Amino acid sequence: EAQVTQNPRYLITVTGKKLTVTCSQNMNHEYMSWYRQDPGLGLRQIYYSMNVEVTDKGDVPEGYKVSRKEKRNFPLILESPSPNQTSLYFCASRLSWTGGPDTQYFGPGTRLTVL
Amino acid sequence: AQSVSQHNHHVILSEAASLELGCNYSYGGTVNLFWYVQYPGQHLQLLLKYFSGDPLVKGIKGFEAEFIKSKFSFNLRKPSVQWSDTAEYFCAVNEKGGYQKVTFGTGTKLQVIP
Repeated sequence: EAQVTQNPRYLITVTGKKLTVTCSQNMNHEYMSWYRQDPGLGLRQIYYSMNVEVTDKGDVPEGYKVSRKEKRNFPLILESPSPNQTSLYFCASRLSWTGGPDTQYFGPGTRLTVL
Repeated sequence: AQSVSQHNHHVILSEAASLELGCNYSYGGTVNLFWYVQYPGQHLQLLLKYFSGDPLVKGIKGFEAEFIKSKFSFNLRKPSVQWSDTAEYFCAVNEKGGYQKVTFGTGTKLQVIP
């Protein structure tokens, strides 16, 4: 089954404790992206990756890091989480980053609470 | 930079009522347009999309949307809503060609009362 998976689905942590949220897709998609969803703000893009070893900042990258060492995986790293990073996070993937009409597929979401 | 506006933040309807959710975008070039739905506690799912051709697009579950280029709009419609349509709806746009960054609107929460 074609899907985007994220782990963990729920996480409660404390300020400053490094964490990683994993994202994996099994569709051989080139493009992957991380969003955060906050009430009244919709989805805002954090980082995206056009292919292996190619990543760039989205609209709200501060406090986050990403890596793309393999095509299928795109982990989101919070080196020193703060309470303003409490949010619902979605990973998404798309076949290609350029040309052609293709659709983004979303993961199930990770609800992060930073105390 | 492109942006998407959804003016209705919260809509409450009775079952069988007709629905229209507004979506306006600002971008000078050619765009692809999407509506996503997020049911309570679930991830976003694609409802329908417009890439080219007929500006009236039909999606899943009886939803449709009309792209009106002159108005920069892509409103979502359904003739008769059901309780199961209670969800949050997001409009999204990306520019054709190039990197194709997708920009989402802030969402509209729809509550359907039985």
